[in-house]
Amino acid sequence: GQQVMQIPQYQHVQEGEDFTTYCNSSTTLSNIQWYKQRPGGHPVFLIQLVKSGEVKKQKRLTFQFGEAKKNSSLHITATQTTDVGTYFCADTPNTGNQFYFGTGTSLTVIP
Amino acid sequence: DADVTQTPRNRITKTGKRIMLECSQTKGHDRMYWYRQDPGLGLQLIYYSFDVKDINKGEISDGYSVSRQAQAKFSLSLESAIPNQTALYFCATSDRKPRGTDYQPQHFGDGTRLSIL
Repeated sequence: GQQVMQIPQYQHVQEGEDFTTYCNSSTTLSNIQWYKQRPGGHPVFLIQLVKSGEVKKQKRLTFQFGEAKKNSSLHITATQTTDVGTYFCADTPNTGNQFYFGTGTSLTVIP
Repeated sequence: DADVTQTPRNRITKTGKRIMLECSQTKGHDRMYWYRQDPGLGLQLIYYSFDVKDINKGEISDGYSVSRQAQAKFSLSLESAIPNQTALYFCATSDRKPRGTDYQPQHFGDGTRLSIL
């Protein structure tokens, strides 16, 4: 099956520092969705990227889709304690039948 | 989302027991999914259904079965539970894929934490 890897698996940052998680695939990604899961919660949809090289921003969050559509990244500027959680990327193949989730990056923000 | 309800929220049971996890939704979505989540492994798809008459296996369907009783209800069964099925289980829904390349986001329930002793 399709494999979507995320790095790093864990990240601890001081509040105010930046954070980046990367989503990589050995095959071309068709669409990337990003989700956030707070501790004890369920995944919540953040954003979707479709086009090669696409960049989208949501306040302090910047999402990028690689030019070759084999990777994606989520960057958080000046982290806050509310950013704590696990961030997942998910890919849907062209048929749109299944979502393949990455392994997730768990972010801890130290006040 | 409160619109996707999973029951029970927690369950502890013994090896060999039959377990059913239930999911109901009020979002009116056609598509429903069952995932399991294990630490460090992300979310793995067990089964998915695009309508009442359409059931499909996901990445890790062995040991599981599902039933789509109605558009709003999708249940997951473990016929004979084993300890390595201990995990957090999520139900999710999504709307029908529109034309073009955009895909609808998935809406998750609060999860069922299942422990098999």
